[in-house]
Amino acid sequence: GENVEQHPSTLSVQEGDSAVIKCTYSDSASNYFPWYKQELGKRPQLIIDIRSNVGEKKDQRIAVTLNKTAKHFSLHITETQPEDSAVYFCAASGQGAQKLVFGQGTRLTINP
Amino acid sequence: DSGVTQTPKHLITATGQRVTLRCSPRSGDLSVYWYQQSLDQGLQFLIQYYNGEERAKGNILERFSAQQFPDLHSELNLSSLELGDSALYFCASSVDSINSPLHFGNGTRLTVT
Repeated sequence: GENVEQHPSTLSVQEGDSAVIKCTYSDSASNYFPWYKQELGKRPQLIIDIRSNVGEKKDQRIAVTLNKTAKHFSLHITETQPEDSAVYFCAASGQGAQKLVFGQGTRLTINP
Repeated sequence: DSGVTQTPKHLITATGQRVTLRCSPRSGDLSVYWYQQSLDQGLQFLIQYYNGEERAKGNILERFSAQQFPDLHSELNLSSLELGDSALYFCASSVDSINSPLHFGNGTRLTVT
């Protein structure tokens, strides 16, 4: 079945700097890659997603890139703000997986 | 508000007991997923239903079972509870069975004492 590895597990950046979180997946049939943000004590919320027919997608300060050959995808947050502090989860699913499998999460801390 | 409703919000029970967690999906969503999140852990996939039928199964224990009813709400039954079952249980729903954004409920926090 699908396996998703996420790095780093914790990330601390200065406010205004960029943050990058990387994920690799094992199932080459996977074709849907969402990212979720989970604030402390809250539910995970979708922040951006990308499908395998697209290499990059941007939404304001957030962007996701996908390299299908290498089976990895990344989340980029620019101009970080204190409210970006949260746990971020990547996930992958596709016909081969039949379910959305999540990475272990990255705890992002934005230092003022 | 995601539109996914989970009840109860909190549940405290003793070891060996049985509990039922309930989930109502967003209007129009046919697929329901259950995830378990232990303290400082990731989201572990338990099971998925689509339009009343089981579609995918994850690392769900034999002591756990679930179903999706004709009105599309779902219940997760946890029996013979152990201390290690204490966790946050999330329900999520999506329009389709695969490759659609998941919308999570606020979760049920289960504490087994």
